[in-house]
Amino acid sequence: ETGVTQSPTHLIKTRGQQVTLRCSSQSGHNTVSWYQQALGQGPQFIFQYYREEENGRGNFPPRFSGLQFPNYSSELNVNALELDDSALYLCASSSGSGIAHEQFFGPGTRLTVL
Amino acid sequence: DAKTTQPPSMDCAEGRAANLPCNHSTISGNEYVYWYRQIHSQGPQYIIHGLKNNETNEMASLIITEDRKSSTLILPHATLRDTAVYYCIVRVASFGNEKLTFGTGTRLTIIP
Repeated sequence: ETGVTQSPTHLIKTRGQQVTLRCSSQSGHNTVSWYQQALGQGPQFIFQYYREEENGRGNFPPRFSGLQFPNYSSELNVNALELDDSALYLCASSSGSGIAHEQFFGPGTRLTVL
Repeated sequence: DAKTTQPPSMDCAEGRAANLPCNHSTISGNEYVYWYRQIHSQGPQYIIHGLKNNETNEMASLIITEDRKSSTLILPHATLRDTAVYYCIVRVASFGNEKLTFGTGTRLTIIP
């Protein structure tokens, strides 16, 4: 059983640029959630995808968008990067069949915006 | 989702039981209590969850008070690898709702 993987591990961008982060969910999982974790803070929910549809969103502006593919892998896209977007971006997958009490997190992508 | 309150930091001697408290006085009847931990530079890891009854698994025990307004996570024999930030989360567990609301957690340091 393969766990949740994310790429890239680290990324450096400049203000105004666009970035795409990728997540492969755990085998058999059809729900993916994305979180942003600023230094010293707990993760903050960005949005969730279930069977390729956005299904819940946190308090993030529209320049944060995502996709989920038929194989349930997912992308997080951030446009017009700002300095405050510097953070660890985490994705988590869950089975999506019934109530999922356990979510499985990937190791994260560390984004630095200069 | 209900708000939780945790102490910002705790120390525990290696080999002893680590008891991490969490206050969730506004918890609703259909909200579960979850614990996750995050070891430095890794993604959070699920530990345990409960609704009303005390729960135990291979990692930890969860003690929920009768009025459900507080709970305690117990790591029975703490090791250095248990040094991490521990998050207590309460949420309604419903199909399609996977959102976890993290606070700032408790930074647990295991002392050799």
